[in-house]
This record gives sequence, structure tokens and C-alpha cells, in this order.
Amino acid sequence: AQRVTQPEKLLSVFKGAPVELKCNYSYSGSPELFWYVQYSRQRLQLLLRHISRESIKGFTADLNKGETSFHLKKPFAQEEDSAMYYCALSGTGRRALTFGSGTRLQVQP
Amino acid sequence: EAGVTQFPSHSVIEKGQTVTLRCDPISGHDNLYWYRRVMGKEIKFLLHFVKESKQDESGMPNNRFLAERTGGTYSTLKVQPAELEDSGVYFCASSPTKGFYGYTFGSGTRLTVV
Repeated sequence: AQRVTQPEKLLSVFKGAPVELKCNYSYSGSPELFWYVQYSRQRLQLLLRHISRESIKGFTADLNKGETSFHLKKPFAQEEDSAMYYCALSGTGRRALTFGSGTRLQVQP
Repeated sequence: EAGVTQFPSHSVIEKGQTVTLRCDPISGHDNLYWYRRVMGKEIKFLLHFVKESKQDESGMPNNRFLAERTGGTYSTLKVQPAELEDSGVYFCASSPTKGFYGYTFGSGTRLTVV
């Protein structure tokens, strides 16, 4: 069975502070990991995926297979980063995503 | 390009009634997915279409839910009869055939069963 855990429901930081949104997963094979974001009154959108090893809006995430983690990081938070963030996993040969429960990021001025 | 479109955006029905949700994927996307988030819980996978065929319906909760995608274009998700626990937000998403880069989601249908 596959599972995604986001231990923090709410993360509140001040503008300019570093941000780390935690994501741990359990899966016996080689997963594909994603971060999705939902800004207020907008639809869920893909933020980044581990395969591409890209940085989007200053966010990065590294897949750590030893710790089974895929934490999302940004060195300096901006107010416009305030949103709901979801970590998601797809298993080998499947396109169905397993989502974590989400973390609400609040960036205060 | 037009995004994934879902309607209605909101639906309030009484327990025991029938509701049909519709999803129009991005044109040319063969893969179409349904997800839902019930109150206080995670977003859960329901099923995956490839064109008009059900590729994976392992997440469908019970036989009160029926999904169709006739002709491989838009899809409908019917709940009959609706129960209180079906309340939540139903999301549709689509992705192209080649490569898997994540989905494009619709804005969701908020279903309230009273």
C-alpha cells in the first residue's frame, strides 16, 4: 500500500523566512513524487515533480529515498506563497495519485 | 488552450436524489481522472479513463457511483442515490497520452447532500 504523510496542517512563517513543508511517503517500489499547490479560489495546480529536479517560484524538493521524504523548501518566503500545498505520489505503472492531507502555508508580512 | 472544465460548480441535493457531475478535459487529453475530497479528509482517487475505457476504477467507493466517458471526450460521474457522506468536492483532471508530468485539474464541483 502507498501512503503520503504531511505532518503539519498549518505552517506559519514571516515573509523572508525559510520554509520547509514536510512530506514522507511509504511505497515499496520506485515512486514518482509531486507537489501540488492550491491558491485561494484557484484550482489545484502542479508545482513541481521530482523527476524534473526543477525549481519553480523558488521552491525545490529533493527525493530522499533513504528517509522516504520529499520535503518542499524555499529559502525566503513571500506573501504570495500563502496557499494549500499537497504532496502526492504515483506508483509504478499507475497514474493514480495518492495525496497527503495537505499543509496550509501562511506567510505573514 | 482551454483548461479542464467541470460543472456544476456547486450542487445541493437531498439524500436519496441523483446527481450527475460533468467534466470536459483538455482537448486531446486521452487520460481523464476523477478524485474527491470529503470533509476533513485527503483527496482520494476514484477512477482513471483512457479514452472511453476505464483503466483503473479501484477508488470507486461503491456501486452508487457510475462514471462514463462515451466517445472518449467528456465524462460524467453519477451518484445514485446520494448519501450524506458523499458530500465533498469532486475534482476532475486530465493528462496527455505521452509522458506523465502530472495532471491539469478542474476547479471542482462542491456537492452537498442534505
